[in-house]
Amino acid sequence: AQSVTQLGSHVSVSEGALVLLRCNYSSSVPPYLFWYVQYPNQGLQLLLKYTTGATLVKGINGFEAEFKKSETSFHLTKPSAHMSDAAEYFCAVSNQGGKLIFGQGTELYVKP
Amino acid sequence: DAGVIQSPRHEVTEMGQEVTLRCKPISGHDYLFWYRQTMMRGLELLIYFNNNVPIDDSGMPEDRFSAKMPNASFSTLKIQPSEPRDSAVYFCASTDRTTGGNTIYFGEGSWLTVV
Repeated sequence: AQSVTQLGSHVSVSEGALVLLRCNYSSSVPPYLFWYVQYPNQGLQLLLKYTTGATLVKGINGFEAEFKKSETSFHLTKPSAHMSDAAEYFCAVSNQGGKLIFGQGTELYVKP
Repeated sequence: DAGVIQSPRHEVTEMGQEVTLRCKPISGHDYLFWYRQTMMRGLELLIYFNNNVPIDDSGMPEDRFSAKMPNASFSTLKIQPSEPRDSAVYFCASTDRTTGGNTIYFGEGSWLTVV
């Protein structure tokens, strides 16, 4: 069985500060890992994904994430937060069969 | 290219009524998913199809929920009878495993309120 744990349901940062959203996963097979973003009253948009190859993956809007197998982690980072980054972020794992299992989400607040 | 298209975007209905949500996946995608999002339970996978065939419906909450995919370009999620606890956002999503790199694309959601 697969599962995802996002540490912190709410994260608050100041504009210009580092963004770090934590995600740990559990999977019995090599996982595919994803981060999605959801803006208010909208659907989910893919930020980035890891399938195979380079463990540091870059996504849209300046976000990146690093797959660390030894730590079963896939934390999302951005060097400098912008007000427009305020949204809910979801980490997800797939067993390569197409089915995505999502974490509970982390609401990111950006203070001016 | 058109994304995943869902209808209706918003629906308010009375308890006991039948609700039908519709989805048109991205052309060429062979997987279709129905997710439900609530504050309490987050994003839950209800059911998914591969080549129009239901593969896993273990997330369907109860017999009041049913889903069909009569062809590659259309799916429905039906709730009959509806209850207030069914109020949620229902997302349809699709992917093409062979060329899509397992990226799942989501529709904008159907916002259901049962009063």
